[in-house]
Amino acid sequence: DSGVTQTPKHLITATGQRVTLRCSPRSGDLSVYWYQQSLDQGLQFLIQYYNGEERAKGNILERFSAQQFPDLHSELNLSSLELGDSALYFCASSPESKGSSPLHFGNGTRLTVT
Amino acid sequence: GQQVMQIPQYQHVQEGEDFTTYCNSSTTLSNIQWYKQRPGGHPVFLIQLVKSGEVKKQKRLTFQFGEAKKNSSLHITATQTTDVGTYFCAGYSGNTPLVFGKGTRLSVIA
Repeated sequence: DSGVTQTPKHLITATGQRVTLRCSPRSGDLSVYWYQQSLDQGLQFLIQYYNGEERAKGNILERFSAQQFPDLHSELNLSSLELGDSALYFCASSPESKGSSPLHFGNGTRLTVT
Repeated sequence: GQQVMQIPQYQHVQEGEDFTTYCNSSTTLSNIQWYKQRPGGHPVFLIQLVKSGEVKKQKRLTFQFGEAKKNSSLHITATQTTDVGTYFCAGYSGNTPLVFGKGTRLSVIA
């Protein structure tokens, strides 16, 4: 158990809809990262938050947004969903803002857009 | 931007054979990390290498960091069915968050 909690485990929704994925980091970790994993595409970095503030942005679409709340949990909002957004979305946490610390991943949310 | 290339993409081995995956970065790295993702699971941190030329071992797994700190390898001796999964390297250069390679998916045939 990594200590990182992601909900829900599965999401099935239709194109054009909006969903929210939730992540609670490991106790004591201030950084939260969001990654997208599509078939054979590896782990694509989306966005990082550190102690409530956006720290780094990757290949995140404008239709996607995220935030980190005072209790350090984070939410990833995906809107105007398209078929191509179907993927596994992982949240990971670490104690530091830099990437020098190992990441602890949650179990992921599998999003299916139909 | 920084890119991390990993080869091969897939590897099928007979149980007991050795396995190696290679990782190359377009930039010099501060550290490189390795993760394993079992089928249906999430990536799990294995190890971090920091020093030029560093070699670390975990039982049958040997990790190397190149002298120029731009490449790394993971070698598994005498693979077992429990080694099945996708192995990712991830490089940190100090400027951006970890950049992951696309991974090497290892299948072990008993």
